[in-house]
Amino acid sequence: DAGVTQSPTHLIKTRGQQVTLRCSPKSGHDTVSWYQQALGQGPQFIFQYYEEEERQRGNFPDRFSGHQFPNYSSELNVNALLLGDSALYLCASGASETYGYTFGSGTRLTVV
Amino acid sequence: AQSVTQLDSQVPVFEEAPVELRCNYSSSVSVYLFWYVQYPNQGLQLLLKYLSGSTLVKGINGFEAEFNKSQTSFHLRKPSVHISDTAEYFCAVSDWGTQGGSEKLVFGKGTKLTVNP
Repeated sequence: DAGVTQSPTHLIKTRGQQVTLRCSPKSGHDTVSWYQQALGQGPQFIFQYYEEEERQRGNFPDRFSGHQFPNYSSELNVNALLLGDSALYLCASGASETYGYTFGSGTRLTVV
Repeated sequence: AQSVTQLDSQVPVFEEAPVELRCNYSSSVSVYLFWYVQYPNQGLQLLLKYLSGSTLVKGINGFEAEFNKSQTSFHLRKPSVHISDTAEYFCAVSDWGTQGGSEKLVFGKGTKLTVNP
């Protein structure tokens, strides 16, 4: 049973560019959340998708947007990249009737 | 608003010694508590969780944690650590259930556990 799959594992972007990160949830999970983990910090909640809609959002600017597809997979888009967007982006999936998330291994984004 | 404080940013211990990683939280509602471990260049792995019931929770890899509501704490313990326990440990809180499903996690800043031979 595959866990949470994220792609790509690493990427380097230039300031001002746009990036799309992808996440496939664990089988049986219908909720996808995205977290940003800056170096030396704990993960910070970006937003959560359920039934293809954004259900909750953390304190992140509108440059951060997302999408959930009918098969529950999800994308995180970041526009107008800043140096400060460099971080590990973690996807976590869960099931609406259970307690606890399964995290992917993350995408390491470096903005230069 | 919820918050989590991990009182120690780094904890060095010797192999086979006991260890306690401290976590305090603040919340205005009932909470659910979690400990996650992160090995270098990896994602987060759930160690254990407290949802209700017994305040002593046992997790994987010999770890356990005790929920103390009066002290708003959820400290993680292991009686004898191994070199392989070297990692970063994160405490997290969630006010699960207000929307009938998964809620966001609020994390502490992490405690780096280093186990020395």
